[in-house]
Amino acid sequence: EAAVTQSPRSKVAVTGGKVTLSCHQTNNHDYMYWYRQDTGHGLRLIHYSYVADSTEKGDIPDGYKASRPSQENFSLILELASLSQTAVYFCASRLENTLYFGAGTRLSVL
Amino acid sequence: GDSVTQKEGLVTLTEGLPVMLNCTYQTIYSNAFLFWYVHYLNESPRLLLKSSTDNKRTEHQGFHATLHKSSSSFHLQKSSAQLSDSALYYCALSPTNYAQGLTFGLGTRVSVFP
Repeated sequence: EAAVTQSPRSKVAVTGGKVTLSCHQTNNHDYMYWYRQDTGHGLRLIHYSYVADSTEKGDIPDGYKASRPSQENFSLILELASLSQTAVYFCASRLENTLYFGAGTRLSVL
Repeated sequence: GDSVTQKEGLVTLTEGLPVMLNCTYQTIYSNAFLFWYVHYLNESPRLLLKSSTDNKRTEHQGFHATLHKSSSSFHLQKSSAQLSDSALYYCALSPTNYAQGLTFGLGTRVSVFP
């Protein structure tokens, strides 16, 4: 059973539209992360959270918001999607120094 | 700040040959851990190896790596590559700020051909 589930698995959005990517974990982990994957840039941290109702900015937070309404759920929100946000997004939960990733969401902004 | 460097963006090799992926890092944290994550196509990235103590080799699934603090390196090696090893490999570092998760390198794509 997948312990970190992302939805949707893929999405096409229009420039300027709002996009919400969802992540649900059953690992009972406190820490959760959103990473962005781009060819030539590796995995870059967007936002993270270590407790419900609190989020922190990562290395590339501009253009993104995050929400952690419960320990299990962590969302990434693009209020005004832009072409440059086309990428694959990964959610992860963490236990000690091991990250457990979801399957990823492929986002295309047109 | 913390950083991880993977020199090779793409490695192509023939099945049965040895493979080595380079990873060097920078951090002020003396007890940093290094990791290798593997990302197979259409799967989630997952942990492959975690560093042990300085100069001690760690192994998993035929791969091995040794943390060398003197040279800030954690290179990944395998003696005989298999077709199923084709994947994207990330070297990662536990950063000075524990809460921020791991700092990843740019990744090395490995393609193994028959």
